Amino acid sequence: GIQVEQSPPDLILQEGANSTLRCNFSDSVNNLQWFHQNPWGQLINLFYIPSGTKQNGRLSATTVATERYSLLYISSSQTTDSGVYFCAVSTSGTYKYIFGTGTRLKVLA
Amino acid sequence: NAGVTQTPKFRVLKTGQSMTLLCAQDMNHEYMYWYRQDPGMGLRLIHYSVGEGTTAKGEVPDGYNVSRLKKQNFLLGLESAAPSQTSVYFCASSYTLELADYTSYNEQFFGPGTRLTVL
Repeated sequence: GIQVEQSPPDLILQEGANSTLRCNFSDSVNNLQWFHQNPWGQLINLFYIPSGTKQNGRLSATTVATERYSLLYISSSQTTDSGVYFCAVSTSGTYKYIFGTGTRLKVLA
Repeated sequence: NAGVTQTPKFRVLKTGQSMTLLCAQDMNHEYMYWYRQDPGMGLRLIHYSVGEGTTAKGEVPDGYNVSRLKKQNFLLGLESAAPSQTSVYFCASSYTLELADYTSYNEQFFGPGTRLTVL
């Protein structure tokens, strides 16, 4: 089955810093989502982005489907950005999503 | 709209007991999913459903059963709970759109989770 790898596994930033999170996948995908799991465990939809680039405030994402990776950019990080960021993908012909193991982000005040 | 809701939020079971987790969605989504999340790990798919009356196995289906008798509800059952089933369980739902370029759009939305401890 498809493999999803996220890097880095852990990241510590000072408030105001920028960061890039990466998601690599081993096969062509039909769907790709980025989620933020906050410290209370809630999963929040950030982007649905099987290809192309999207921006939402301080966050943006780019997926290069032909090269099998996606990037999540966080600019001017805030303490509320802390938590775990997950990438999830599904392949053509199936709606089963496979999750990566996540990037744990801690933003220090 | 409440979105995706899960009942209960917390539960403690003894080994061998049974229970049912309820997931409900009010978005008229066709697809529903049950995942489990263990400490420090991503989510793993247990079972999913592509429509009322249908179910299918995911990555880790053993020890669980599911039913989708109504479009808005997806039930996850543990017939004989084991300590290895201690986890946080998430339900999700999604809809699909077939696009003009022959791709399809499918975005998942998650419930708040159920924290289950099996002693």
